[in-house]
Amino acid sequence: GAGVSQSPSNKVTEKGKDVELRCDPISGHTALYWYRQSLGQGLEFLIYFQGNSAPDKSGLPSDRFSAERTGGSVSTLTIQRTQQEDSAVYLCASRARQGLSNEQFFGPGTRLTVL
Amino acid sequence: LAKTTQPISMDSYEGQEVNITCSHNNIATNDYITWYQQFPSQGPRFIIQGYKTKVTNEVASLFIPADRKSSTLSLPRVSLSDTAVYYCLVGDIDSLEYGNKLVFGAGTILRVKS
Repeated sequence: GAGVSQSPSNKVTEKGKDVELRCDPISGHTALYWYRQSLGQGLEFLIYFQGNSAPDKSGLPSDRFSAERTGGSVSTLTIQRTQQEDSAVYLCASRARQGLSNEQFFGPGTRLTVL
Repeated sequence: LAKTTQPISMDSYEGQEVNITCSHNNIATNDYITWYQQFPSQGPRFIIQGYKTKVTNEVASLFIPADRKSSTLSLPRVSLSDTAVYYCLVGDIDSLEYGNKLVFGAGTILRVKS
């Protein structure tokens, strides 16, 4: 079946603009995660959804970052008033129900460049 | 969450067995050890997961000693296409309320040469 998809694959924006990044998880996966990866760095956890609720938002770097998930499926990560330090690859992952495994299935990512 | 330590990089040649060791001295009782692989411009991909002793699948083997303070990912007969970053993660897969917040360190860059 289809894997995790993300759009757009690349986004170039100007400092101060808002951006929306979209994630379509694997159908039936209840958990959804957002990470970001800066150049040459490891992955940084941002936020986690179980269904439509986000029990763990601890990784969001500032109040300019927000995310939502609707219908237990698609998720959108929004960055307001983008800054150059927001430039990174934003990765989304989904996972089947709790307890089977902590295997997360990652999408290809959205490369965000803030000029 | 248990902190992990891995070598920054390793070099190998095609056909050799590669062993990447990860230290996780403060691993908790409920924590599992998971390894992911990441190719350039792609998201990470799950390789293998284990709790103790040895786990083997079609891709790799995972060796975990009795004290569980370290683990070794073994890749048999590597090829050029195994060049990637390998991440060792430790986490509680049964954490119900908050899910499993995987913590990725810097990983180990494996370079396979011909």
